[in-house]
Amino acid sequence: GQNIDQPTEMTATEGAIVQINCTYQTSGFNGLFWYQQHAGEAPTFLSYNVLDGLEEKGRFSSFLSRSKGYSYLLLKELQMKDSASYLCAAMDSNYKLIWGAGTKLIIKP
Amino acid sequence: DGGITQSPKYLFRKEGQNVTLSCEQNLNHDAMYWYRQDPGQGLRLIYYSQIVNDFQKGDIAEGYSVSREKKESFPLTVTSAQKNPTAFYLCASSPGLEADTQYFGPGTRLTVL
Repeated sequence: GQNIDQPTEMTATEGAIVQINCTYQTSGFNGLFWYQQHAGEAPTFLSYNVLDGLEEKGRFSSFLSRSKGYSYLLLKELQMKDSASYLCAAMDSNYKLIWGAGTKLIIKP
Repeated sequence: DGGITQSPKYLFRKEGQNVTLSCEQNLNHDAMYWYRQDPGQGLRLIYYSQIVNDFQKGDIAEGYSVSREKKESFPLTVTSAQKNPTAFYLCASSPGLEADTQYFGPGTRLTVL
């Protein structure tokens, strides 16, 4: 079956760095998406990886290893506003997104 | 100001009543989607549409219906046949159906009493 695994919750300190991991199993693969979702709001797009390697976008970076079925989202210089859930989603061969349950990130001062 | 709108933000209905959730986009996107989000679970696809007058069932279509009469609009009806309709409903759109980023509306929280 198709499956996405990511930690349920993580805690980090303001100003620090945190890495949120995601492993996936899909029928075929057309890329890996990361979204940010604040409580009660819509998910907003953060990044898309389809080739192996690291994509950097400001304080956020996303990494993909297709051979390992693994991705991570790296958040640097954490700010209180980064407290949110981070959703990992893999696109299968039919261009359907398979979603993880999300990682709730708690930032402490 | 382009985007996706959903209305209303909060909706309360009595058990046994049908209810229609609105979704409108002015991004000129071809593809539109409806998801349901429940606590502790990933987003689950209800229906999607690649083009006007065409739509396909997702993973949990039972108890739901949709229409796509206009490119901009993709309303979702939650029928009385849906066993557990209380949830957060998210509408999304993308330029096409392939490896395109999906953009989400603000969501509608439906509570069935």
